[in-house]
Amino acid sequence: DAGITQSPRYKITETGRQVTLMCHQTWSHSYMFWYRQDLGHGLRLIYYSAAADITDKGEVPDGYVVSRSKTENFPLTLESATRSQTSVYFCASSESAGVLFYEQYFGPGTRLTVT
Amino acid sequence: KNEVEQSPQNLTAQEGEFITINCSYSVGISALHWLQQHPGGGIVSLFMLSSGKKKHGRLIATINIQEKHSSLHITASHPRDSAVYICAAGGIIQGAQKLVFGQGTRLTINP
Repeated sequence: DAGITQSPRYKITETGRQVTLMCHQTWSHSYMFWYRQDLGHGLRLIYYSAAADITDKGEVPDGYVVSRSKTENFPLTLESATRSQTSVYFCASSESAGVLFYEQYFGPGTRLTVT
Repeated sequence: KNEVEQSPQNLTAQEGEFITINCSYSVGISALHWLQQHPGGGIVSLFMLSSGKKKHGRLIATINIQEKHSSLHITASHPRDSAVYICAAGGIIQGAQKLVFGQGTRLTINP
């Protein structure tokens, strides 16, 4: 299906485990983003990528790793999950020229619980 | 103080009322985004504007760059407009190009 998808939609994991959240988009958008959404904080940028093999840190990158070997995929890995990483994670994509001038398209979100 | 502030945080109105949600930002921006988050959690981009006014159906967004203020208006509100509305300021902030999000306004329209 066309669009932007995330998997899994729901995940429960234990403290210390490695978790990978997947994001896939079919538009060939250059830019992709990972956000987390927490009560009281709104959306916060974790990492973003301007193109394949180009990634950069956002506002809250600690504890997360990203990669982008293909334009359409942008996985987010929690190397050793902590309870503070319990959140809803949104992936988004945008056409070239980045976030300032083009609208972002959001995935459906992944609700992650770390016990 | 948050760089992007929205008001009100919560708004309940009756069907048919004219709705205004405000967004003030303290940073220089290149564009202001309005997003809608449905009760199920999905996020949709409504508007992106850098000056003036945009209209889409019953939704109108305005921005005043000098006053660093934007408003989202909904005319003839309907229960299906119930959602969280989020504004985000985009620009060079703290030396990096990024979007800074407000905390959202929860709108409830009663029939």
